[in-house]
This record gives sequence, C-alpha cells and structure tokens, in this order.
Amino acid sequence: SQELEQSPQSLIVQEGKNLTINCTSSKTLYGLYWYKQKYGEGLIFLMMLQKGGEEKSHEKITAKLDEKKQQSSLHITASQPSHAGIYLCGADIAGTYKYIFGTGTRLKVLA
Amino acid sequence: DGGITQSPKYLFRKEGQNVTLSCEQNLNHDAMYWYRQDPGQGLRLIYYSQIVNDFQKGDIAEGYSVSREKKESFPLTVTSAQKNPTAFYLCASTSVSGTEYNEQFFGPGTRLTVL
Repeated sequence: SQELEQSPQSLIVQEGKNLTINCTSSKTLYGLYWYKQKYGEGLIFLMMLQKGGEEKSHEKITAKLDEKKQQSSLHITASQPSHAGIYLCGADIAGTYKYIFGTGTRLKVLA
Repeated sequence: DGGITQSPKYLFRKEGQNVTLSCEQNLNHDAMYWYRQDPGQGLRLIYYSQIVNDFQKGDIAEGYSVSREKKESFPLTVTSAQKNPTAFYLCASTSVSGTEYNEQFFGPGTRLTVL
C-alpha cells in the first residue's frame, strides 16, 4: 500500500527564518496536495502539484515535486507567527477516489 | 458562500451510546469522506461515498456507519461497537468531474469525547 512520510515531525524556528518540510511517497505520486491545519480546526488547501519538476508559490510558501514524482517539499521563506500550525501532505491513490495523508509537521514560529 | 459544515463542534458521549455527526456541503461535490484524526497519526479514512446511495469502507470502518441519501449530506454514526471513539473527526468533499485530480475541501471538524 502507498504511504506518505513527512519530516520533520515538528519544527521550531525563529521568526524570519526559512524552513523546509519534506514529504516522501513509497510510490509514484499523481496528485500531491499540501494543507495547513490549525489545532482543532479543519484543513486548509494550500497547493496541488501534478507534474514532475513542478513548482508553485503562494506568498512566501513554495512547493516542489521532484522529477521522479516521489518526493515533495514545502519551503517557507522569512517565516512569521501566522505560519504556525500543522502542515500535511496528501495524495491521490491512483485508480481510486481515495486519498492518503502524511502524519503532519507541527510548526511553531517564535516571535 | 460555498463550503462544508460540520456539527456539532464538540460532542460528548457516554459509553454504550450511539452518536451521529453531521456533515453538509453546498459545493455540489459528488464525493464525500469521513476521516478520523488522532495525535501523531495523521488522517485515517473511515468511509467515503462517490455518489448518492453508495458508499465504501475505508481503512478503519469498524464501529462506524454512514448514509448518503442526498448529495449534500453524509452523516457519520459512531456506534457503541467503536471501542475507542474519542478523536477529532473531519469531513471532506471533492469534485469527481472536470480535472483529473482535485483537492479535497474540509469541514471544521467535530471533537468527540467519550465520558
């Protein structure tokens, strides 16, 4: 079965620092999604990647999918306290309507 | 505004009781999903439905039941057979037409606590 592994599990950074979160799949990814969750709330969609080598940015967040489509990274530039939360990667399971998710990365940004 | 609503936000249940969590969407999405989230375990799929009057078991369906009588509604019942129901429950929906891959939209969640 396909699994998504995220690293690190938790991250504490000083405001203004850059950081990267990784998501690795045991199989080729087709649709890769990044979400952000605040504690006790639902998931907010950030970005979707489909093609090998694809890169998307929104404000200070950049997501990339490697050429082999098995690894994705989420990079935050000049982090702010508003970036704090749990970041999860998710993926389609090919041939089904099911999705799987990583275990999440808990980010804390110190002011 | 289109979106997904879940109610209640907090729910307390005594052991042996069945409880039903509500999920409604006005996004005209075909597929709906229920996930359970426990600390450090990410999201686990309970049930999903691609179309009205049809649904499939996910990875942890035991002790849960669902119905899909209307496109916009996908209620989840947590039965007394679920041995460890205390968790955060998330409902999601997605379109299955149009583009091949579609992101899921999530509701705000229901936190269920068994007393």
